[in-house]
Amino acid sequence: RKEVEQDPGPFNVPEGATVAFNCTYSNSASQSFFWYRQDCRKEPKLLMSVYSSGNEDGRFTAQLNRASQYISLLIRDSKLSDSATYLCVVNRVDSNYQLIWGAGTKLIIKP
Amino acid sequence: GAVVSQHPSWVICKSGTSVKIECRSLDFQATTMFWYRQFPKQSLMLMATSNEGSKATYEQGVEKDKFLINHASLTLSTLTVTSAHPEDSSFYICSANGGGLGYEQYFGPGTRLTVT
Repeated sequence: RKEVEQDPGPFNVPEGATVAFNCTYSNSASQSFFWYRQDCRKEPKLLMSVYSSGNEDGRFTAQLNRASQYISLLIRDSKLSDSATYLCVVNRVDSNYQLIWGAGTKLIIKP
Repeated sequence: GAVVSQHPSWVICKSGTSVKIECRSLDFQATTMFWYRQFPKQSLMLMATSNEGSKATYEQGVEKDKFLINHASLTLSTLTVTSAHPEDSSFYICSANGGGLGYEQYFGPGTRLTVT
């Protein structure tokens, strides 16, 4: 089982729709969770951290379910510019600040 | 805040030559920096973790004598690809962690290496 698993997609979604991704992680001792976005041929950029109580940043909402060991990202009112690969990231326990990266979910927003 | 630069952004070199890539944290001190490699349509692969003033820790399967990492200051880490071969052609990305900022990593723009 992979340490961080994501549906690779692609998710083809019409502009304006709401889309949600899930990600599961294997180590229950993980403490830090993030969503990054990566555009084609670019570096990953931090989208948002994921907090235990859930958090929202504009059109983006992240949730953490520790009992089931999954993280979710919800995008509302999707824009063409949201097209990217979304990477689920979890800290590597007992490591030197290392992160474990999901393979990413590709999102394509269609006009 | 948390800006990371990386140079060069792209490089083409001949097989057998060495290439040095620099990674700098511009507005914070990075106690730990990371070097990743990404092949087309594949996920990020961590190559090594480097701490200022100490030897880098390499991931399994990454040759430390081929990928030399130096982290001489809190704002600069370098990766040297020695005796590069066409199979080393890839997208090399560095990231930095500021320690006090938690586990978040901030990435440089990457270096696209092509070995001919």
